[in-house]
Amino acid sequence: KNQVEQSPQSLIILEGKNCTLQCNYTVSPFSNLRWYKQDTGRGPVSLTIMTFSENTKSNGRYTATLDADTKQSSLHITASQLSDSASYICVVSGGGATNKLIFGTGTLLAVQP
Amino acid sequence: NAGVTQTPKFQVLKTGQSMTLQCAQDMNHEYMSWYRQDPGMGLRLIHYSVGAGITDQGEVPNGYNVSRSTTEDFPLRLLSAAPSQTSVYFCASSYSPGTGGNSPLHFGNGTRLTVT
Repeated sequence: KNQVEQSPQSLIILEGKNCTLQCNYTVSPFSNLRWYKQDTGRGPVSLTIMTFSENTKSNGRYTATLDADTKQSSLHITASQLSDSASYICVVSGGGATNKLIFGTGTLLAVQP
Repeated sequence: NAGVTQTPKFQVLKTGQSMTLQCAQDMNHEYMSWYRQDPGMGLRLIHYSVGAGITDQGEVPNGYNVSRSTTEDFPLRLLSAAPSQTSVYFCASSYSPGTGGNSPLHFGNGTRLTVT
């Protein structure tokens, strides 16, 4: 069964600290892996998209890694800010004509001052 | 650019009522889709469209209808609302849905629907 599992479910860190969120997937075939940030009451916003051949991709203080062999990805947030408080959703694309997307349930991050 | 615009933001319905959730995008995206987001679950695809005049079912289509008469608009109709349809609904669009399509989905800010 195609699944995307994220850990931890929730995380609290202090402002300025770094953190790493995990994503494991069993989706096959694989086209790409995406990370989205969802602020409370808003729609998800794309952070990164990585294809099979990409190991690392950065977007400002966000760095995503992908190990296609072990089917794992991580999202590293550097020097966290209060505005990083949000849910972070890992999404794997199974490809095909309709680009079927499998969504994880998200990691809820709270950055405290 | 407004991006993806959804209306209304909030809606309360009684069981059996019908309504239409509106979605419009101004990015000339061919692909549009509707998702529902429920606590403890990932977003689930309801219906999608790969272009004007073309729609298809997603993972959880029962109780919902869609149409795509223009590139810009993709309304979602609830035919006879049920409490199980209480959820947050998101409309999303992108340039291309295909295997080679690495374009991101652009989401609206959602409609929070409660059915009593």
